Amino acid sequence: QSALTQPPSASGSPGQSVTISCTGTSSDVGGFTYVSWYQQHPGKAPKLMIYEVSERPSGVPDRFSASKSGNTASLTVSGLQAEDEADYYCSSYAGGNNLVFGGGTKLTVL
Amino acid sequence: QVQLVQSGAEVKKPGSSVRVSCKASGGIFSNSAISWVRQAPGQGLEWMGVITAIIGATNYAQKFQDRVTITRDESTSTVYMQLSSLRSEDTAVYYCARASQGLQLVEWGQGTLVTVSS
Repeated sequence: QSALTQPPSASGSPGQSVTISCTGTSSDVGGFTYVSWYQQHPGKAPKLMIYEVSERPSGVPDRFSASKSGNTASLTVSGLQAEDEADYYCSSYAGGNNLVFGGGTKLTVL
Repeated sequence: QVQLVQSGAEVKKPGSSVRVSCKASGGIFSNSAISWVRQAPGQGLEWMGVITAIIGATNYAQKFQDRVTITRDESTSTVYMQLSSLRSEDTAVYYCARASQGLQLVEWGQGTLVTVSS
């Protein structure tokens, strides 16, 4: 199972919006609605930000939104804030009780 | 909500094995599937495998098929991940996480650093 493809980096100024893509195949992203996004600050455990393509867990700001089209999922962070600076990972169910992650995107708030 | 607390850091010799524990509290452990994910220094997340709720069936990433074993002890609400034939490339932080439907990782442990060095 190959890793999902994410851009290594993304950036934006405070208040701006930034979108991170996550490209897979019809065997993972394109084939299931179980696409998740995780935020990880340095030295911390990852935190679930989005599940089932576009759902936000309780407590996650609505500045975080996500969608999917075909084999590509996207995470958008609107109204960027300093605390949004972190690494972001997508993951997708790949069938047969298998999971695949993206390589991660480092988001910098300029 | 389930809280997951992992065992402490380990230093191991190449060729040996390591067992990391993940103790759950605050929820219904028997209904929880638990996945293991590792992260090498400066690298991304890598899924290793999962143990399902109730019947405890396991599935492992192909890369780790021959070396990893995940088990669960219902009496202590603890899941274990054992990795054998350790090599330096296995140096990483190992995380356990509660998996909801579709292996979406809802809650995470704090991570356990495993260092493999001669």
